[in-house]
Order: sequence, then C-alpha cells, then structure tokens
Amino acid sequence: EVQLVQSGAEVKKPGESLKISCKGSGYSFTSYWIGWVRQMPGKGLEWMGIIYPGDSDTRYSPSFQGQVTISADKSISTAYLQWSSLKASDTAMYYCASGVGFDYWGQGTLVTVSS
Amino acid sequence: SYELTQPPSVSVSPGQTARITCSGDALPKKYAYWYQQKSGQAPVLVIYEDSKRPSGIPERFSGSSSGTMATLTISGAQVEDEADYYCYSTDSSGKGVFGGGTKLTVL
Repeated sequence: EVQLVQSGAEVKKPGESLKISCKGSGYSFTSYWIGWVRQMPGKGLEWMGIIYPGDSDTRYSPSFQGQVTISADKSISTAYLQWSSLKASDTAMYYCASGVGFDYWGQGTLVTVSS
Repeated sequence: SYELTQPPSVSVSPGQTARITCSGDALPKKYAYWYQQKSGQAPVLVIYEDSKRPSGIPERFSGSSSGTMATLTISGAQVEDEADYYCYSTDSSGKGVFGGGTKLTVL
C-alpha cells in the first residue's frame, strides 16, 4: 500500500525555523516527483514546488522561491519542507503529494505561527 | 505567472450533470488533472491526463479538454459529490499551478 506520512502539527513563533517531513512507503520513492502544497485557512490549494528524489532536481513556484527550501533524503524515503524564519502568514495546512498526477497525498501538517 | 481559471461555484440538483471548467493558455499542450477535496480532508485525484479515471473513482466522473479549456463532468451528481474541485496543470517549465477551486453544491 502506497503511503505518504507527514510529521505532526507544529505551533511556532514568528522568526523561528521549522522543518516538516513526508515519508513515503509502498512505492519507488526515487522514481516520482514529490510536491508540496499549501492551503491557507479557508482558501484554495497553492503549488509550492517539487523535488525528484532520484537526483534532487528541485523546482519552486515563483511565489515561494527564496521563502522555503525543499529537500529529500532518498536513503530514508523522506522529503522535507523548511523555513528559516517563519511569519504569521505561513500559518496553513501543508500537504505533500506524489505519484502520477499526484495520485497519492499525505494527511497534511498544520503549521500555526503565532506570537 | 501562469494561471488556471475556474468558476467559484456550481450548483446542481441530485441526478443532474455538473460541469466544472478550467481555462488556461497552456492547456492545449499540457495535461489537466482534477482533484476533489471534501471538508477537512486531503485532496483526492479524480481525473488525470485530461480524461483518465484512477481506479476506485466512480464512472460518473469524466474529463475532457479542448483548446484552452478542460472540463470535469459529473454525470448524475450525488449528494456525496458535494466538495471543492481543483484543476491542476503545469507551465512550459514544468512548474505546477492549481486553479482557484470550484465549490460544487448538490441539493
């Protein structure tokens, strides 16, 4: 069974750093792109960027370039999304997705940034 | 930056056909994908590569694409199909984009 399991909810203060994870299992982790998607409260889906774990080729949406870093460790089948300095506006649900046409999704990680 | 445009809402009665459109300049050359998202849940792929249906998705869901418009059709919509629907595609550099989403009401 294909699974993408994301790390748990986080509560952070503005200015703090954060790294959330997405662990894949049940499929060839290095053969499919993994993407990250943001969903702010009550809003739509936003494509943040993708990484190909096989060679770490990474592409970012212009809206998120320089704001986050996407990485992957293929030895443990895990992708990451990280921030160096969080803002209140980063408060959102973050999903990872993979497979042909993103047919597999993680359960989401809720990030809350508040002073 | 590249954009996909969807109507904010579509409303049908149970058993009617719901059609949700998605327009984008690159759609003649790029596939469209459709996702269903029910409240509080992760999105689910319902159509990929314009018109293919993943296993487990009911046959009433179908997709098509012509020119700069892709369409998701739900034939005989059911109350349980009430959800937000998002189209997705890529630009010429392989970067993805979602449409703004369409809230489907079935009542």
